[in-house]
Amino acid sequence: GAGVSQSPSNKVTEKGKDVELRCDPISGHTALYWYRQSLGQGLEFLIYFQGNSAPDKSGLPSDRFSAERTGGSVSTLTIQRTQQEDSAVYLCASSLSGRKYQETQYFGPGTRLLVL
Amino acid sequence: AQSVTQPDIHITVSEGASLELRCNYSYGATPYLFWYVQSPGQGLQLLLKYFSGDTLVQGIKGFEAEFKRSQSSFNLRKPSVHWSDAAEYFCAVGDVKAAGNKLTFGGGTRVLVKP
Repeated sequence: GAGVSQSPSNKVTEKGKDVELRCDPISGHTALYWYRQSLGQGLEFLIYFQGNSAPDKSGLPSDRFSAERTGGSVSTLTIQRTQQEDSAVYLCASSLSGRKYQETQYFGPGTRLLVL
Repeated sequence: AQSVTQPDIHITVSEGASLELRCNYSYGATPYLFWYVQSPGQGLQLLLKYFSGDTLVQGIKGFEAEFKRSQSSFNLRKPSVHWSDAAEYFCAVGDVKAAGNKLTFGGGTRVLVKP
């Protein structure tokens, strides 16, 4: 079946602009995660959604970052007033329920963001 | 807080030779450990995972990993490397104290395969 998809693949923006990154999880997966992969910080957790529960936002680096998940499926990560340090690859992952620690997280190909 | 260390940033290995990637973790309870591989331009793919039981775990693509509690290690091995194994490898630990299975990743090891 189809895996996790993300769009756009690449995004170039100017400092100060807002950007939206989209993630389509695997159909039927109720848990969705966002991670960021950058040169300075490596791979780091950003936010986690599980069903209709309140998201775990503990990894968001600042209040310029926010995420939504509509209808328990598609998720959008929004970065407001982008800064150059936001340049990174943003990875989305999904898993079946998020409640079992041995569950595999399936990752999308990522969105490469470059802030000029 | 948990952490994962991958001491080797780069490793170069000849095709057909054996490969071992090191991973050390810090975690206050029984860890849930994962190895992922990222090929150029691709997302992360799970190679194998450990939760309990047999400390030698078999994964896909001929990889295996051994959990050693006394050394806080979870090293990844492959007996004979293929050119297609050139990629970046990430070790991760799952946070079982969180509501969801948030992963904490190591810094990654980039593997280059010489012909």
